Amino acid sequence: KAGVTQTPRYLIKTRGQQVTLSCSPISGHRSVSWYQQTPGQGLQFLFEYFSETQRNKGNFPGRFSGRQFSNSRSEMNVSTLELGDSALYLCASSAGLERRNEQFFGPGTRLTVL
Amino acid sequence: DAKTTQPNSMESNEEEPVHLPCNHSTISGTDYIHWYRQLPSQGPEYVIHGLTSNVNNRMASLAIAEDRKSSTLILHRATLRDAAVYYCILRDQGGKLIFGQGTELSVKP
Repeated sequence: KAGVTQTPRYLIKTRGQQVTLSCSPISGHRSVSWYQQTPGQGLQFLFEYFSETQRNKGNFPGRFSGRQFSNSRSEMNVSTLELGDSALYLCASSAGLERRNEQFFGPGTRLTVL
Repeated sequence: DAKTTQPNSMESNEEEPVHLPCNHSTISGTDYIHWYRQLPSQGPEYVIHGLTSNVNNRMASLAIAEDRKSSTLILHRATLRDAAVYYCILRDQGGKLIFGQGTELSVKP
């Protein structure tokens, strides 16, 4: 089975722009979660989607949004980029929402905001 | 969200066992204990999880205290490839994982 794929792998944007990141989960997985990783804050949960519905959301401003499509692929969008949004954005897929399910992470998208 | 406490860093020698501790005194009865690791320049990788009983898989063993307030991840023979940050996570609902600072494991040849 192919793993979780994320595109693009690297991205450079300027302040004020918006960006869309894409995540393709493992085939058959219906849950997709997004995380932000920075040196200062570590790994922080952004949101989680299951069957095209947002099930959980972390403590991030409304500039961060996401969606999931019927084929379970997911996108996250960050509008009005700020310097502090520079981070590694990780996507993880899981077979379901049960607490015992493991999450499989992609390689991440490295976003740099100038 | 229930919290976990781990040492910031640990060192090990290659081919020796490693015991990575985790305290989770506020764990609830339905929380699963998950361990993930993150190798340099990679996304986190699932290692093992458990609820009440000790667990073994090809990567590691998980020893859970009887009162569930602590657990230990055991790598039976550390290799240089095991150098990573190890995260102990309590999974209480849905899919979200709440990562702490983790333990940075270094392995000396």
